Amino acid sequence: EAQVTQNPRYLITVTGKKLTVTCSQNMNHEYMSWYRQDPGLGLRQIYYSMNVEVTDKGDVPEGYKVSRKEKRNFPLILESPSPNQTSLYFCASSFRDRGITEAFFGQGTRLTVV
Amino acid sequence: EDKVVQSPLSLVVHEGDTVTLNCSYEVTNFRSLLWYKQEKKAPTFLFMLTSSGIEKKSGRLSSILDKKELSSILNITATQTGDSAIYLCAAGYALNFGKGTSLLVTP
Repeated sequence: EAQVTQNPRYLITVTGKKLTVTCSQNMNHEYMSWYRQDPGLGLRQIYYSMNVEVTDKGDVPEGYKVSRKEKRNFPLILESPSPNQTSLYFCASSFRDRGITEAFFGQGTRLTVV
Repeated sequence: EDKVVQSPLSLVVHEGDTVTLNCSYEVTNFRSLLWYKQEKKAPTFLFMLTSSGIEKKSGRLSSILDKKELSSILNITATQTGDSAIYLCAAGYALNFGKGTSLLVTP
């Protein structure tokens, strides 16, 4: 089954404790992206990747890191989480032949930083 | 910087009404505009629009792109309570989303 898998689905952590949210897709998509969703602010892009070893900042990259060492995986790293990073996070992937086509989303990770 | 703006941000209608949601964009190298529906989970794909003036239709939902006006509309006819959701529009090189329109359909 074609899917984007995020883990964990829910996470409660303490300020400053490094964490990684994993994202994996099985559709051989070139494009992958991370978004955070907060009430009234829509989906804001954190980082995106157009292919292996190619990553770019989105609108809200501060406090986050990513890597794209393999085509299927695009982990999101919070080196020192802070309470303002409490949010709902989505990973998405797509083909990018002549532009982004339908993007598939993971089920989301609800992160709480206390 | 690519920009996608949706309006209205919030809408409450009665079942059976017809609604029109708007999406305008300012993006470099426009290729496509996508519409998504989000209930209490991940967004689900509705439409991808690439050509101006060609309507995409799925049941009671339809959408059309106007490249001259840099905008798109999503129409929902004969709304049902199950249409209550956030409707998201996205465009741009790296798929930028608008803030969404929160639609509530009351019985």
